[in-house]
Amino acid sequence: GNSVTQMEGPVTLSEEAFLTINCTYTATGYPSLFWYVQYPGEGLQLLLKATKADDKGSNKGFEATYRKETTSFHLEKGSVQVSDSAVYFCALSDQRGGADGLTFGKGTHLIIQP
Amino acid sequence: EPEVTQTPSHQVTQMGQEVILRCVPISNHLYFYWYRQILGQKVEFLVSFYNNEISEKSEIFDDQFSVERPDGSNFTLKIRSTKLEDSAMYFCASSSTRMDSPLHFGNGTRLTVT
Repeated sequence: GNSVTQMEGPVTLSEEAFLTINCTYTATGYPSLFWYVQYPGEGLQLLLKATKADDKGSNKGFEATYRKETTSFHLEKGSVQVSDSAVYFCALSDQRGGADGLTFGKGTHLIIQP
Repeated sequence: EPEVTQTPSHQVTQMGQEVILRCVPISNHLYFYWYRQILGQKVEFLVSFYNNEISEKSEIFDDQFSVERPDGSNFTLKIRSTKLEDSAMYFCASSSTRMDSPLHFGNGTRLTVT
């Protein structure tokens, strides 16, 4: 079956630090990969996505590259801000493999201190 | 920007009672989903809905659960006889197409079963 594993949190960083949140996946088909972000009190919002190997998704200074050889989709940002504090979810969609739903990781709580 | 809205934001119910969670998806979207997140655990897929019928459901979505699109705008999740373990955050989502389009999530309904 499909699964997503991401690093456990919370991750606490100082403002302007470099961020990496690791994500690896297992899929039977040819998944698309996503990062969703959940700010306090809000729903999940799509942050970025990549639909095939070697694609790089980017948004709001965040980047993630679809690495098929390592089955990874690590999230990075060069300089984090306090406003980036949120829970980040890595997810995959295996619709080409016939599955409708997204498979999520457990989420990583990111705390940015001023 | 159009958004998915969910009501109520918090529902408290007694074990064995029926609850209905309501969602208004984005108006031109065709695919609808329910997910849940038990506190501290993964976001889990429950069910997807298209063309007025369930297209896929997970093992969690047993006979106690049902979904309906009663009037062309609302999308509801009913739990017939709630159990303590149904306590979770329930997220509704919608998308315009099935393949690779992002899901737009609502802010969720926190269901507490006592």
